Amino acid sequence: EPEVTQTPSHQVTQMGQEVILRCVPISNHLYFYWYRQILGQKVEFLVSFYNNEISEKSEIFDDQFSVERPDGSNFTLKIRSTKLEDSAMYFCASRPSWVPYEQYFGPGTRLTVT
Amino acid sequence: AQTVTQSQPEMSVQEAETVTLSCTYDTSENNYYLFWYKQPPSRQMILVIRQEAYKQQNATENRFSVNFQKAAKSFSLKISDSQLGDTAMYFCAFMDSGGGADGLTFGKGTHLIIQP
Repeated sequence: EPEVTQTPSHQVTQMGQEVILRCVPISNHLYFYWYRQILGQKVEFLVSFYNNEISEKSEIFDDQFSVERPDGSNFTLKIRSTKLEDSAMYFCASRPSWVPYEQYFGPGTRLTVT
Repeated sequence: AQTVTQSQPEMSVQEAETVTLSCTYDTSENNYYLFWYKQPPSRQMILVIRQEAYKQQNATENRFSVNFQKAAKSFSLKISDSQLGDTAMYFCAFMDSGGGADGLTFGKGTHLIIQP
């Protein structure tokens, strides 16, 4: 069964550094999402992406965040200058155009900012 | 903006018992979807069950069923014959069906522990 994959599974970075989290959505999916979960807290929506542009973004998704689909398979989340409070689990999700409610989540990337 | 509230931070039951997790939400929308996601210690997000707001019939998936009360904006999850593998965080989530790109709004979760 096809699945969403994310790399790396765990990333450690120093405060102020840039990080890129990578996701490979399911191949025939057209809608992509990033979510964040700070340890012990709820999952929060960051951004949705369709047709090579951002469809919707939350208040969390400020200027230090950006998303990109650099090629036909990858979907990336970049954090320009990481802060301690960016430490969290980041989940990528994708869905097909014909099923509006079926988001498939990846296994997540744990980001630790020191 | 929509909000999702889960008032039970943690619940613990014996194996084989039935447990109900509660969820309430607030929205001005009429058409939407509601979900329960399971997050085991691996932290993978796994869809358990889905309910479309326009459907009056409560969704059922094997041992999992929901009690959807649209007027009360309540969406509880019942797990029958609970198993040790059901131990996990359970998140209630909402999605507006009006826009195809909307993200999910999650509650804070309920930590369910199944005791042997």
